[in-house]
Amino acid sequence: DVKVTQSSRYLVKRTGEKVFLECVQDMDHENMFWYRQDPGLGLRLIYFSYDVKMKEKGDIPEGYSVSREKKERFSLILESASTNQTSMYLCASSPIAWAEAFFGQGTRLTVV
Amino acid sequence: KNEVEQSPQNLTAQEGEFITINCSYSVGISALHWLQQHPGGGIVSLFMLSSGKKKHGRLIATINIQEKHSSLHITASHPRDSAVYICAVSRASGSRLTFGEGTQLTVNP
Repeated sequence: DVKVTQSSRYLVKRTGEKVFLECVQDMDHENMFWYRQDPGLGLRLIYFSYDVKMKEKGDIPEGYSVSREKKERFSLILESASTNQTSMYLCASSPIAWAEAFFGQGTRLTVV
Repeated sequence: KNEVEQSPQNLTAQEGEFITINCSYSVGISALHWLQQHPGGGIVSLFMLSSGKKKHGRLIATINIQEKHSSLHITASHPRDSAVYICAVSRASGSRLTFGEGTQLTVNP
């Protein structure tokens, strides 16, 4: 059974903290994605990666960075968390860019 | 205007009813995806299609490429179908998905 696993379901962090959201996939997929989901706005792409050590900005990269040191792992980093980054974060992977995507269970992050 | 528009935004049905959710898009696509998100957040891919029609159990997805329109149908709806249904497109150029805002479906017993 294919799997995308996010390290936490719920996180509460303080303003200014550095936050790491981890995502691991076991399907040997080339492409991995980080989205945030907010009411009324749907899913918006933050960053994606099409290979190890490769990354591209999505639609809303400001305030975020990513790391992909190994094929199976894609990390989202909030350098200095702010309250407007309170959101649901979803990781996804796919074998090729336009193929079926597999999603993690989501991390609900609250920044206080 | 969003590149992917879904309707309706909210839908309430009685158990057993036939349900249709619509998706229109304005960009060139290589494929269209229907996704399901249950409370708690996890998203499951239901269908990926680039032409015609696909069926899986009580779910049917159709796409009309010329009209840039897709529909998701649920036959004999059940309360466990209650979820957010999301339409997304893979653009013909580029590697990202573009999402609709989702349709919240509630099926009452």
